[in-house]
Amino acid sequence: EVQLVESGGALVQPGGSLRLSCAASGFTFSSYAMSWVRRAPGKGLEWVSTISGSGGDTYYADSVKGRFTISRDNSKNTLYLQLNTLRDEDTAVYYCAKMDGSGSYCDCWGQGTLVTVSS
Amino acid sequence: QLLLTQSPSASASLGASVKLTCTLSSGHGSNAIAWHQQQPEKGPRYLMKLHSDGSHTKGDGIPDRFLGSSSGAERYLTISSLQSEDEADYYCQTWATAIQVFGGGTKLTVL
Repeated sequence: EVQLVESGGALVQPGGSLRLSCAASGFTFSSYAMSWVRRAPGKGLEWVSTISGSGGDTYYADSVKGRFTISRDNSKNTLYLQLNTLRDEDTAVYYCAKMDGSGSYCDCWGQGTLVTVSS
Repeated sequence: QLLLTQSPSASASLGASVKLTCTLSSGHGSNAIAWHQQQPEKGPRYLMKLHSDGSHTKGDGIPDRFLGSSSGAERYLTISSLQSEDEADYYCQTWATAIQVFGGGTKLTVL
């Protein structure tokens, strides 16, 4: 059974930093692209970033480009998201998602971790 | 620009059927999409991948009550024999090189 478990969410001040983790199990982690998707309070799902299975290719939404960094450690079956220069509008639940075999869409999701940016 | 448009809300009675719509922006009418369900206080759940010809591939354990269909640039999710646990937000998703796009979501209320 595929399992994705996020951690690392916290209350952080504007301008601060945070690193989220996603522990994956139940599939060959290195064979699949992975994504981060967030949902802000009262809003819908927003794609944040995607990384290829090897980690060699990364993609970002314009809203986070230059501030967030996606990475993965295939030896630990773990996905990461480094969040820097955080803004109030980054407040959201962040979900880790496994992409399908072609890297096109999310076919499995985690339960999410809450990031609150507030002074 | 690649966009997905969904109605913000829909409602239907317990045991009835409902059809949710996701519309692809101009020039992208042949794109496949994925449908996801998000129940309150839970992570999203992948429902199915839906092609422009109406063929679809469901996720593991998704009941037969959930059906996908297509017409032109519109992609549909029909849920029949509505149950209380179907009350949720439903999102469509599509993709292009280097980007993922989500629709705004439809909040389904089961009366």
